[in-house]
Amino acid sequence: AQSVAQPEDQVNVAEGNPLTVKCTYSVSGNPYLFWYVQYPNRGLQFLLKYITGDNLVKGSYGFEAEFNKSQTSFHLKKPSALVSDSALYFCAVSPEGSYIPTFGRGTSLIVHP
Amino acid sequence: DTGVSQNPRHKITKRGQNVTFRCDPISEHNRLYWYRQTLGQGPEFLTYFQNEAQLEKSRLLSDRFSAERPKGSFSTLEIQRTEQGDSAMYLCASSSHRQVEHEQYFGPGTRLTVT
Repeated sequence: AQSVAQPEDQVNVAEGNPLTVKCTYSVSGNPYLFWYVQYPNRGLQFLLKYITGDNLVKGSYGFEAEFNKSQTSFHLKKPSALVSDSALYFCAVSPEGSYIPTFGRGTSLIVHP
Repeated sequence: DTGVSQNPRHKITKRGQNVTFRCDPISEHNRLYWYRQTLGQGPEFLTYFQNEAQLEKSRLLSDRFSAERPKGSFSTLEIQRTEQGDSAMYLCASSSHRQVEHEQYFGPGTRLTVT
């Protein structure tokens, strides 16, 4: 069975500083990896995915993530945080070819002005 | 394209009553998913459809839960004999038929409160 760990319940960063939200996963075979964001009172929004190809993937709003197979990680990054990035971020994994993802518990990102 | 819609947005019911939620996916999407999300947790997969076919339903939480998608468009999730533990946010998502596109597009959710 697959699983996702988001080791930090909350990440605090100052506006303009780089941010990292961590995600590690466990899955049989090759993974499909995703990041979603949830703003208050809004549904989850897709940010980016890794299916195959380049280990560094770029997504919406300037976010990117790096797939590291040896460390089974898929950390979300942004070079310069904005206050508007403050939200709940979820990492998800599914086995290759599967349409059923397993989500992590989420990490609350707080960007301070 | 108006995105995924869910109705109602909020539902308060008494224990023992039946409730039904509706999800309308993005029109060209053939896959539709139901999740449950409780406070402090990520979405928990319940079931999914490809067109009319329900391809995975073993993760429905109990036999009180059922879902349908009779014409391959909208879907309903029914919970019979509700219990207080059923209180949660119920999310619907849809995704494209194109095999390379596995990302899902979520609706705003239906918040269920069982009193």
